[in-house]
Amino acid sequence: AQSVTQLGSHVSVSEGALVLLRCNYSSSVPPYLFWYVQYPNQGLQLLLKYTTGATLVKGINGFEAEFKKSETSFHLTKPSAHMSDAAEYFCAVFAGDSSYKLIFGSGTRLLVRP
Amino acid sequence: EPEVTQTPSHQVTQMGQEVILRCVPISNHLYFYWYRQILGQKVEFLVSFYNNEISEKSEIFDDQFSVERPDGSNFTLKIRSTKLEDSAMYFCASSGLAVNTGELFFGEGSRLTVL
Repeated sequence: AQSVTQLGSHVSVSEGALVLLRCNYSSSVPPYLFWYVQYPNQGLQLLLKYTTGATLVKGINGFEAEFKKSETSFHLTKPSAHMSDAAEYFCAVFAGDSSYKLIFGSGTRLLVRP
Repeated sequence: EPEVTQTPSHQVTQMGQEVILRCVPISNHLYFYWYRQILGQKVEFLVSFYNNEISEKSEIFDDQFSVERPDGSNFTLKIRSTKLEDSAMYFCASSGLAVNTGELFFGEGSRLTVL
């Protein structure tokens, strides 16, 4: 069965610092992987996705993630944090195969210090 | 840009009352979902719906829950007799044209408070 683990429920960085949010997945089939962002009191917005092809994927707001099959990881990065990046970030794996649902990790809250 | 819309944005109800949450998925999408997020917790899958029937449901989705697509545009989640633990944000999502690639488009959510 597919699953997602996000290490660190809270990550705090200074404005301008590198953002690294960790995600590891487990999947019995080639995974489709996603990062979603949730701003306070809002819905889930797609940041980026990996389906097939290039393993480094770029998303909105300067975020990118790299699919590493050997490490079963899909970590999210941004070179320079901005105050507006403060939000909850969810990694998700698409179950695919016989199950067409997204399975979410527990989320990581990103805090950006001035 | 097409979007998923949900109503109401917030509903307060008494325990034991029936609640219907409404969603209008993106036109021409074929797969529909309900997820819920209890305050401060992860986003949990409830149910998926395809070709006018439930394709999968989680163990959370017990007999108190039902879904319906009554008119080809709306997608509803009904909770027959609400419990305190049903208090959560409920997200509707839709996906897929010909092929479901897993990219779900979420609505803004309906916050349900059960007193």
